[in-house]
Amino acid sequence: EDKVVQSPLSLVVHEGDTVTLNCSYEVTNFRSLLWYKQEKKAPTFLFMLTSSGIEKKSGRLSSILDKKELFSILNITATQTGDSAIYLCAVEVWGSGTYKYIFGTGTRLKVLA
Amino acid sequence: GAGVSQSPRYKVAKRGQDVALRCDPISGHVSLFWYQQALGQGPEFLTYFQNEAQLDKSGLPSDRFFAERPEGSVSTLKIQRTQQEDSAVYLCASSIRDRGAYEQYFGPGTRLTVT
Repeated sequence: EDKVVQSPLSLVVHEGDTVTLNCSYEVTNFRSLLWYKQEKKAPTFLFMLTSSGIEKKSGRLSSILDKKELFSILNITATQTGDSAIYLCAVEVWGSGTYKYIFGTGTRLKVLA
Repeated sequence: GAGVSQSPRYKVAKRGQDVALRCDPISGHVSLFWYQQALGQGPEFLTYFQNEAQLDKSGLPSDRFFAERPEGSVSTLKIQRTQQEDSAVYLCASSIRDRGAYEQYFGPGTRLTVT
């Protein structure tokens, strides 16, 4: 059965800290891995990763994928209170001519002022 | 439209009632997904449409759940004879392509509470 596991489940840090969120997966027919940020409403897209070892960066956020060890990390440097959210990892899988996304449980990040 | 919209935003149903949840995807988006998100969990896949065709309904938890997208745009998720375990946020997402590897855009969700 396809599985996506995120760790830690929750994290509390202070402003300015650096955090690393983990996502490991066991799926058949992997196509891509995506990171989302979910505040009170809809998840908003952060990154899509398809190739190993290539870092994607957006401001203070960065992410990298390791397709050999089957995991990805999301780094946030110089955290701010506005980074407080649930961070979701999703893996795109293919099968029988269609595709879908398997989500992890998410990491709940709280950044204290 | 600017993004994916869903209605109603909140729905309270008595156990045993039928409910219908609506999703308006971004115009021109081929792919449409429904997810169920329980409190403290990540979204769980329910079903996938490519235009009007429902290509995957493997995530629908029971035959009380039914989804349609008759004209390839608006989609409705119907839950018959609601049970308390159906209480969750139901998210809809759309994507421009039918072959993945493209970002999916989420709607704000419908929070369903079954009493």
